[in-house]
Amino acid sequence: NAGVTQTPKFQVLKTGQSMTLQCAQDMNHEYMSWYRQDPGMGLRLIHYSVGAGITDQGEVPNGYNVSRSTTEDFPLRLLSAAPSQTSVYFCASSYGTSRDTQYFGPGTRLTVL
Amino acid sequence: GENVEQHPSTLSVQEGDSAVIKCTYSDSASNYFPWYKQELGKGPQLIIDIRSNVGEKKDQRIAVTLNKTAKHFSLHITETQPEDSAVYFCAASKGGSYIPTFGRGTSLIVHP
Repeated sequence: NAGVTQTPKFQVLKTGQSMTLQCAQDMNHEYMSWYRQDPGMGLRLIHYSVGAGITDQGEVPNGYNVSRSTTEDFPLRLLSAAPSQTSVYFCASSYGTSRDTQYFGPGTRLTVL
Repeated sequence: GENVEQHPSTLSVQEGDSAVIKCTYSDSASNYFPWYKQELGKGPQLIIDIRSNVGEKKDQRIAVTLNKTAKHFSLHITETQPEDSAVYFCAASKGGSYIPTFGRGTSLIVHP
């Protein structure tokens, strides 16, 4: 198993540009989530999904969209990038509940100029 | 909702010393408490977890203790080694919740 994969590893955007961060898992996990990690702020939940076709907002959803058309994929879209979205983004998946192990991807480092 | 506070934010120790990281939580219904280790440039990875029906759990040099009355839990690392240097996150969750709530992380530095 590849586990949780994320692409790209690094990305530089200009303010106002849009892009999609890709996340895929091959463990047949129902739950998937996106976090952003900023210095001193820990892991903040952006959006999560409890199954294909079901998504919900986390703590910091503004400026981000998600969709879950398949069990395997959970892309994160930035509609109009802002410097405040400069961060490291992690995708995670788990089997079924919040009491199952979260498997994290390697992260995407995004810089918005 | 659940609130998890983690201290200290940075911990510096000498190789061979013990390290303790503490977390408190607010929701008395929380009953699952995992700890994750994040090495530089990687995603967090589960290292140990504890459920509310036990007070302590050990795995070689690491241990976690839980005090449900006081609503706090701690990670203990003995005989620290340079490879223990990383960011450690605690988390808390309960039945019926979808995603655990994470603390802000502790940067552990082990000096050779």
